[in-house]
Amino acid sequence: SQTIHQWPATLVQPVGSPLSLECTVEGTSNPNLYWYRQAAGRGLQLLFYSVGIGQISSEVPQNLSASRPQDRQFILSSKKLLLSDSGFYLCAWRITSGGDTGELFFGEGSRLTVL
Amino acid sequence: LAKTTQPISMDSYEGQEVNITCSHNNIATNDYITWYQQFPSQGPRFIIQGYKTKVTNEVASLFIPADRKSSTLSLPRVSLSDTAVYYCLVAVYNQGGKLIFGQGTELSVKP
Repeated sequence: SQTIHQWPATLVQPVGSPLSLECTVEGTSNPNLYWYRQAAGRGLQLLFYSVGIGQISSEVPQNLSASRPQDRQFILSSKKLLLSDSGFYLCAWRITSGGDTGELFFGEGSRLTVL
Repeated sequence: LAKTTQPISMDSYEGQEVNITCSHNNIATNDYITWYQQFPSQGPRFIIQGYKTKVTNEVASLFIPADRKSSTLSLPRVSLSDTAVYYCLVAVYNQGGKLIFGQGTELSVKP
C-alpha cells in the first residue's frame, strides 16, 4: 500500500533562517506531488506541484522554493524565512496512471512557527 | 480549472442530517467531484467522490444534478466528531496537474 511521510512535524525558526521540509511517498511511482500551506484559520493554499522529477510549478510568488530530486521525494525550502511563512504545511500526492480521479493523499503536516 | 464556492460555515446538532452544497458552474466534461474532511492540525482526508447522479458510501452521500454545476454532500446523522472543515474539489480525470481547494465549509456540531 502507498504511504506518505513528511518531516519535521514541528519547527520553530527565527526570521531570516533557512527552511527545509521533506516529503517522501512509498508504494507508487511517478506520482504528482503537491505542497500546500494553511495559515491559522484559513483554507489550503497551493504553493507548488510537480508532475515529474525536476518539474516544479509555482502557484504563488514568495520566498519559498521546491525541488524534486527523486521520483518520490519533494522538498520545500527557503533561504530566509519571513514571519508570514508561519503556518501548517502539507505535502500530498496523487495517482497519475490509470484510475486517477483527482484524489489526493495527504501527509501528517509540518507546523512552522517563525519568530 | 473549475472554481468552487461553498458556505463558509454551518451549524448543526447531533443526530441531524447535514447537507453542504458546493457550486462549480464551469465544471468540465472530464471533471470529477471529490469531498474532503479536515480536522485541526491534520491533512484533509477523502470522504466521497462522484461524477454524476448519486454516490453513497458508509459515511456520506453525494448528490450531483444532471447539469453537474453543483454537488451536495450529505452527512446522515452527525455526531460531535463530525465537527470539521469540509472541502469540495473538482479535478480532471487522468490528467494530473494543479488542484486548488476552495475556502471550505466549517461545520460545527453541537450537543
